[in-house]
Amino acid sequence: EADIYQTPRYLVIGTGKKITLECSQTMGHDKMYWYQQDPGMELHLIHYSYGVNSTEKGDLSSESTVSRIRTEHFPLTLESARPSHTSQYLCASSGVSGGVTDTQYFGPGTRLTVL
Amino acid sequence: DAKTTQPTSMDCAEGRAANLPCNHSTISGNEYVYWYRQIHSQGPQYIIHGLKNNETNEMASLIITEDRKSSTLILPHATLRDTAVYYCIVRARMDSSYKLIFGSGTRLLVRP
Repeated sequence: EADIYQTPRYLVIGTGKKITLECSQTMGHDKMYWYQQDPGMELHLIHYSYGVNSTEKGDLSSESTVSRIRTEHFPLTLESARPSHTSQYLCASSGVSGGVTDTQYFGPGTRLTVL
Repeated sequence: DAKTTQPTSMDCAEGRAANLPCNHSTISGNEYVYWYRQIHSQGPQYIIHGLKNNETNEMASLIITEDRKSSTLILPHATLRDTAVYYCIVRARMDSSYKLIFGSGTRLLVRP
């Protein structure tokens, strides 16, 4: 199973601030994903990456941006946080393992509150 | 993308088996069924997946019907820590990878 880490776990910040949510995995997975989940609601894919220098937008439109400069690292950035960005952000990764591909493993999530 | 249908909520007694059903009648031949669970809005935890055959691991068993239109996740001896939202997902193709489309899942309550 993948070891995948997210920091911070909780973040309360004021409107207009720039924030970066960190996600790292130690399994050498080539694919990484960001999901957004509002309280009590479903998860929605907002970004994904197939590998270094690859980033794509997911099903749910998001004002956040992502980068993939290193295989193990997939940070998410909000240039100017707004209250509408208040949500939980979940990072996942997947790779080829034992002939079965792309089982996604999730990090613990970052709960963001924008005041 | 194949959709899944699950009961909104279920409960079972601690120590008994929890059987969580899922319908996926539009599943295509090469699509896997995945099960995850989410406890207290933590990150979803992978449980098990399968294609055609029944599968078992240290967490659960997955029974897939012969026509593949439905499946059942079995937690053989449920504990209080198994209280969570359980998601049945048919993995959808996305370019050269796959995406997970989460529904609202089944909220399982394990009673003491």
